[in-house]
Amino acid sequence: KQEVTQFPAALSVPEGENLVLNCSFTDSAIYNLQWFRQDPGKGLTSLSLIQSSQREQTSGRLNASLDKSSGRSTLYIAASQPGDSATYLCAVKGNDMRFGAGTRLTVKP
Amino acid sequence: EPEVTQTPSHQVTQMGQEVILRCVPISNHLYFYWYRQILGQKVEFLVSFYNNEISEKSEIFDDQFSVERPDGSNFTLKIRSTKLEDSAMYFCASSGTGRTGELFFGEGSRLTVL
Repeated sequence: KQEVTQFPAALSVPEGENLVLNCSFTDSAIYNLQWFRQDPGKGLTSLSLIQSSQREQTSGRLNASLDKSSGRSTLYIAASQPGDSATYLCAVKGNDMRFGAGTRLTVKP
Repeated sequence: EPEVTQTPSHQVTQMGQEVILRCVPISNHLYFYWYRQILGQKVEFLVSFYNNEISEKSEIFDDQFSVERPDGSNFTLKIRSTKLEDSAMYFCASSGTGRTGELFFGEGSRLTVL
C-alpha cells in the first residue's frame, strides 16, 4: 500500500528566502506526482504535475523534481512571499491518488 | 479559466439523513473523482468514475455511498444514512485524461453531521 510522507510538517521563513519542501513515497510504481496548494478551508490548487518519466518541472518561482527510483520529490520555492503562506500537499498517482499530510508554510513579511 | 464547481459549500444534517453533494466538472473532462478530508487529516480517495461507471473505489466507499452522473454536466455523491464520522470536507475532481492526467479540484463541500 502506497504511503506518502511530507516533511517538514511546518516551516516558517522570512520573506525572500528560498525553501524546499519534501515528499517521499514507498511504492515507485506511479504514473505521476502532483503538488497542490491548500489555503485554510479551501480547495486544492494544482501547482505542478510531473509524469513518472520526467525529472523536473518548472513554473515561475516553483521547481518540482521527481526521483522515482528513490521515492522522493521536492518542491523548491524561490524568493518566497507572504502570499505563499499555505499548506502544500504532495500526491502520487497509482491506481488511486494518495496524499501526504502536507507542509504548512508561513512566510513572514 | 475552466473550474470544477461544487454545491453546497456547507451542509448541516442530522445523523441518519441522506445527503447529496453535487459537482460540475470541467466541461471536456471525462474522468471524475470524489475525495474527502476529515478535519486535520489527510485527503483520502473515495471513488473514480469514467464512462458512466465506477473505475476504482477505496475501502471507505462502502454501500453507504453512491455516485451518479445524472446528466451531461453533473456528478453527484450520495451518502445514505449519514453518521457522525461522515463529517468532513468532500472534494470533487476531474481530469481530461486517465491515469496520467492532471487533477483539478473544486472548492469542496463541508458536511457537518449532528
